[in-house]
Amino acid sequence: GAVVSQHPSRVICKSGTSVKIECRSLDFQATTMFWYRQFPKKSLMLMATSNEGSKATYEQGVEKDKFLINHASLTLSTLTVTSAHPEDSSFYICSAPRPGSGEKLFFGSGTQLSVL
Amino acid sequence: GESVGLHLPTLSVQEGDNSIINCAYSNSASDYFIWYKQESGKGPQFIIDIRSNMDKRQGQRVTVLLNKTVKHLSLQIAATQPGDSAVYFCAENIYTGGFKTIFGAGTRLFVKA
Repeated sequence: GAVVSQHPSRVICKSGTSVKIECRSLDFQATTMFWYRQFPKKSLMLMATSNEGSKATYEQGVEKDKFLINHASLTLSTLTVTSAHPEDSSFYICSAPRPGSGEKLFFGSGTQLSVL
Repeated sequence: GESVGLHLPTLSVQEGDNSIINCAYSNSASDYFIWYKQESGKGPQFIIDIRSNMDKRQGQRVTVLLNKTVKHLSLQIAATQPGDSAVYFCAENIYTGGFKTIFGAGTRLFVKA
């Protein structure tokens, strides 16, 4: 079964609104989670590393004020897309390494964001 | 930027045949490589991994080969099945304190019945 849960799976919002995406580790504690963005027929692009209890580490070119990441507990990281615009429409996927499983990642099922 | 990439964007194989998906990487210091499978509308799923001190690793119906001399990675799927149809990504972990996983471009595998 899934070990990382992501919600919602699909969201449609109006331009200018904010959207929050949740990523939960179901049976393990995740001190680190990763957020990726994927455009149709493209690869996954790492956006940021979410660190429990501290600030997220953003990849070059990713606006931290646009994509707010909060990792307030060992099982939950959230990504908030603030003041969403149509160009933010994308598939967002979270992942986490699981203790005892090395460095491979366990992924959520993704969130398809459509901004009208 | 990304340091891994793929030679072929799509691959079509007959059910029962073997599939080979290739990947090139550019960072000679890379130590850990992973293959992920992504089905439509889902998150990627781990298939197999390999460290740089190995040149081959086998799993169930899958084999990963690593050629450090030419910085090339491949995924071999034996007796390909319709359920293997998906996009396959090679990925590489890089280390900056902790680690992060960088994905290659992906190959879409079509399995013809």
